[in-house]
Amino acid sequence: QVTLRESGPALVKPTQTLTLTCTFSGFSLTTGPMSVSWIRQPPGKALEWLARIDWDDDKYYSRSLRTRLTISKDTSEKQVVLTMTNMDPVDTATYYCARQRTSVGSDAFDIWGQGTMVTVSS
Amino acid sequence: DIQMTQSPSSLSASVGDRVTITCQASQDISNYVNWYQQKSGKAPKLLIYDASNLETGVPSRFSGSGSGTDFSFTISSLQPEDTATYYCQQYDSLPYTFGQGIKLEIK
Repeated sequence: QVTLRESGPALVKPTQTLTLTCTFSGFSLTTGPMSVSWIRQPPGKALEWLARIDWDDDKYYSRSLRTRLTISKDTSEKQVVLTMTNMDPVDTATYYCARQRTSVGSDAFDIWGQGTMVTVSS
Repeated sequence: DIQMTQSPSSLSASVGDRVTITCQASQDISNYVNWYQQKSGKAPKLLIYDASNLETGVPSRFSGSGSGTDFSFTISSLQPEDTATYYCQQYDSLPYTFGQGIKLEIK
């Protein structure tokens, strides 16, 4: 059974750095094709893709947030970590990690974690 | 970035109705579209991938079609448990982008 679970602080102060961890099971991020992405959703708003890491350690970022984001993986611990610097109240959102099922001509977020709500406030 | 525009903005329909949601891409994206269902307080769930393929375990009343810039998602016979917000998403090019979501309510 494939599962993902996000963890991290529920509250961060403006200008702080957010670190979120996605712990997964039921699949491997050491052989391809396999990827994990982070996606967020502000309260009452739409989904926004943030970053992706591939099995071979290729990394991709949202154009608008790339200077603030870092994604990494610890395959032995089966974790993917996202850091976001200089947090602002507009970054208040539920943050999801999701497995990506990819093949030639196909790419979908097929399994999602439950999400973790992060509030940015002083 | 590729913009995905969904319509209508909201939708209310009765049990048993046929419901269609549309999604328009800002450029040709072939069939590189997925559809997700998000129930209140829950994570999104993949329903349709590659524009028209039904994800394993998803009821057959859900379907998708389209290519190029225009896509549609249909529920053939609306059920009470289909109350949710539905999102389209493109994977033609990074960054992945989602539509604004359509909230579907049961009358």
